[in-house]
Amino acid sequence: DAKTTQPNSMESNEEEPVHLPCNHSTISGTDYIHWYRQLPSQGPEYVIHGLTSNVNNRMASLAIAEDRKSSTLILHRATLRDAAVYYCILITSYGKLTFGQGTILTVHP
Amino acid sequence: NAGVTQTPKFQVLKTGQSMTLQCAQDMNHNSMYWYRQDPGMGLRLIYYSASEGTTDKGEVPNGYNVSRLNKREFSLRLESAAPSQTSVYFCATSIYTEQFFGPGTRLTVL
Repeated sequence: DAKTTQPNSMESNEEEPVHLPCNHSTISGTDYIHWYRQLPSQGPEYVIHGLTSNVNNRMASLAIAEDRKSSTLILHRATLRDAAVYYCILITSYGKLTFGQGTILTVHP
Repeated sequence: NAGVTQTPKFQVLKTGQSMTLQCAQDMNHNSMYWYRQDPGMGLRLIYYSASEGTTDKGEVPNGYNVSRLNKREFSLRLESAAPSQTSVYFCATSIYTEQFFGPGTRLTVL
């Protein structure tokens, strides 16, 4: 399975944009890039996903490099409720998710 | 809509005891999954079920069994619990590639 690499932690101030990077240099042509986040003491929550083009939804934006070997999750205005562990995941067959350790995002008031 | 529900929320077992973790969904999804999450780690897939009547092993199936009772329910059984199975267990369902997770069961094996 293709693997992803994320920084262990990042910090941001409230109401500032946050760019969370992810490297996936061994991605295959059919792998979708998914982002999930996990708030403290909760199950993971879907954030966004994409294949080749940049994607936007109400929660975030996903910017995918042209060679697809990296992507960036963008939170346009971080809030305290965005403090969580963010996972960048490449979808395997049958929709099985392979989680790495993710990036711990701390948001300062 | 309750989404994905798990019972119990907490459980303490002694080594060698057995128990079944229950998961139910009202989202009418075909696929269901069981994951475990150890402290400071990402989730690891134990078993999954692509549809009613089918189950397959994930990354860490040893020590567990599953039953896909019907479309709504997917249970995880520990026949003889071991301290290494102390973890938080999450059930999930999916439609296409987006997964929806339950609140988790925190299991401690002494």
